[in-house]
Amino acid sequence: DAGVIQSPRHEVTEMGQEVTLRCKPISGHNSLFWYRQTMMRGLELLIYFNNNVPIDDSGMPEDRFSAKMPNASFSTLKIQPSEPRDSAVYFCATSEGAGGTEAFFGQGTRLTVV
Amino acid sequence: GESVGLHLPTLSVQEGDNSIINCAYSNSASDYFIWYKQESGKGPQFIIDIRSNMDKRQGQRVTVLLNKTVKHLSLQIAATQPGDSAVYFCAESNDYKLSFGAGTTVTVRA
Repeated sequence: DAGVIQSPRHEVTEMGQEVTLRCKPISGHNSLFWYRQTMMRGLELLIYFNNNVPIDDSGMPEDRFSAKMPNASFSTLKIQPSEPRDSAVYFCATSEGAGGTEAFFGQGTRLTVV
Repeated sequence: GESVGLHLPTLSVQEGDNSIINCAYSNSASDYFIWYKQESGKGPQFIIDIRSNMDKRQGQRVTVLLNKTVKHLSLQIAATQPGDSAVYFCAESNDYKLSFGAGTTVTVRA
């Protein structure tokens, strides 16, 4: 298995533009997490899906952020409109079962909003 | 609120020596603890985990110790190698949520 695959690896966009980050989970993993990493705040959980259903989105910063998981093989994190303070590395992680045990992380998407 | 934190932000260790990375946690209800390693430009990588009903767990060159009395977690790396240079995070789990500490940067000196 190639692991958790995220795209793009790097994204530079102008303030106000829409940004879509993509994640392909490990086959058979039914828990999916989106994290954001910054120097100031470290790793923060944004949203958690189990069996494609959003279970906890309390970490989503505001309405500009949305996430979907239309099937077991794909998830997106969208920011619209993007702002410079959204600049961070966004990670997707997946695990077997309903918990976060031994979560496998993707390589991340480094987002820069100018 | 509850938090997971690390005692030291950086650790410099001579190649071949043993490394000890410490972590304090405050949520006594956490049932599962994990150590992750993050190399530059990569996502966190699972190293080893331990459940709250255990005191010690060993892996390949790594040992995790859990002291619930003082809410302390440590990661020991035996015979540290250059490839061990990275940022190490402890995380605690409650149900599905992983809460990460700030991270300790380990630098291995040749």
